[in-house]
Amino acid sequence: ILNVEQSPQSLHVQEGDSTNFTCSFPSSNFYALHWYRWETAKSPEALFVMTLNGDEKKKGRISATLNTKEGYSYLYIKGSQPEDSATYLCASNYGGATNKLIFGTGTLLAVQP
Amino acid sequence: DSGVTQTPKHLITATGQRVTLRCSPRSGDLSVYWYQQSLDQGLQFLIQYYNGEERAKGNILERFSAQQFPDLHSELNLSSLELGDSALYFCASSVAAGGFYEQYFGPGTRLTVT
Repeated sequence: ILNVEQSPQSLHVQEGDSTNFTCSFPSSNFYALHWYRWETAKSPEALFVMTLNGDEKKKGRISATLNTKEGYSYLYIKGSQPEDSATYLCASNYGGATNKLIFGTGTLLAVQP
Repeated sequence: DSGVTQTPKHLITATGQRVTLRCSPRSGDLSVYWYQQSLDQGLQFLIQYYNGEERAKGNILERFSAQQFPDLHSELNLSSLELGDSALYFCASSVAAGGFYEQYFGPGTRLTVT
């Protein structure tokens, strides 16, 4: 059974703090790693898709890195704002032509003003 | 707004009944996925269709079935409903079937079985 793990489970930070979360996944036959942002009462929103070892992606204050050899990805948020409060999900993909995603249970981020 | 639509938003029904959830993908997307989120679990992949054909299957129960129509909308049919089927059901779409394409999620259908 393929298991994707995320840590920490939840995180409370102050506005302006920088923070990071970890996603661990089985590295064997790995194909792609997805990050999603999920706000309460909304649907998951795609942030990044990464495939290559050493990949780094950035969108505004949010960035992510990928290590496919050891099976982990980090998501960084610089200068957290209250609007960053959400659950951050990662999902790994092992299919070839299929796009089956295996999701972690997420990291819940709460940013206090 | 992702461009993926799902109806209905909420559904309350009794055990033993059958329901149909509907999903329209983003314009131009050929692939549709269904996911289930129960209270105690993360997002679980159910099934994927690509251009009308089933492409991948997850832990979908035999009581559940799905299809994708020629206009690319998809329906998830849940029958002989049990209390444990109460969950949030998401549909997502992507432009193609490969693993590196972003998936765009709809707003979900919350199913409550009483």
